[in-house]
Amino acid sequence: GEDVEQSLFLSVREGDSSVINCTYTDSSSTYLYWYKQEPGAGLQLLTYIFSNMDMKQDQRLTVLLNKKDKHLSLRIADTQTGDSAIYFCAGDFNDYKLSFGAGTTVTVRA
Amino acid sequence: DVKVTQSSRYLVKRTGEKVFLECVQDMDHENMFWYRQDPGLGLRLIYFSYDVKMKEKGDIPEGYSVSREKKERFSLILESASTNQTSMYLCASSLRNRGSEAFFGQGTRLTVV
Repeated sequence: GEDVEQSLFLSVREGDSSVINCTYTDSSSTYLYWYKQEPGAGLQLLTYIFSNMDMKQDQRLTVLLNKKDKHLSLRIADTQTGDSAIYFCAGDFNDYKLSFGAGTTVTVRA
Repeated sequence: DVKVTQSSRYLVKRTGEKVFLECVQDMDHENMFWYRQDPGLGLRLIYFSYDVKMKEKGDIPEGYSVSREKKERFSLILESASTNQTSMYLCASSLRNRGSEAFFGQGTRLTVV
């Protein structure tokens, strides 16, 4: 599949901002997504951004897209313990088939 | 509440057994997917289906087959289970149009011994 890369781990103090980064090699994606997976559960769509946008904000979540560098980031403001999860970056590089990164495990410490 | 239901949360099978993983969705979605999830590798697409009786190989189809006889049901078949197929298997479904949200089941943890 298309190459989607993420760092594997992030540790953040409660109340701080978390920034999760993702890079991809194929620029054909129409949409780029962030999914969240809590322990023992499937994935849930957190947010997404259309490829012609630079930024999208949704409450505590901010998605930034740098198309030139093929870089996507997810910022979580005021990180809470309930934000501890695995976060996956994904894109629909091949029509409706999603390609996923390896996932970033976010640990929120008190 | 939309739902993708996988038939088992945990399965233990012996090497060489034929294994069936079942997935049912109640959203009338055209697309259905099977992924496997392994630590450090993320989700890798095994097979997907965009309509009844239609299927396409994903990135890692070897050792697997699928069946979609009804729109709501998508089955993953391990013809002869091997230990390297021990993994978490996730089923998902979505509408056909690009950009549609994919809904995931809770996953099946398969252990092949």
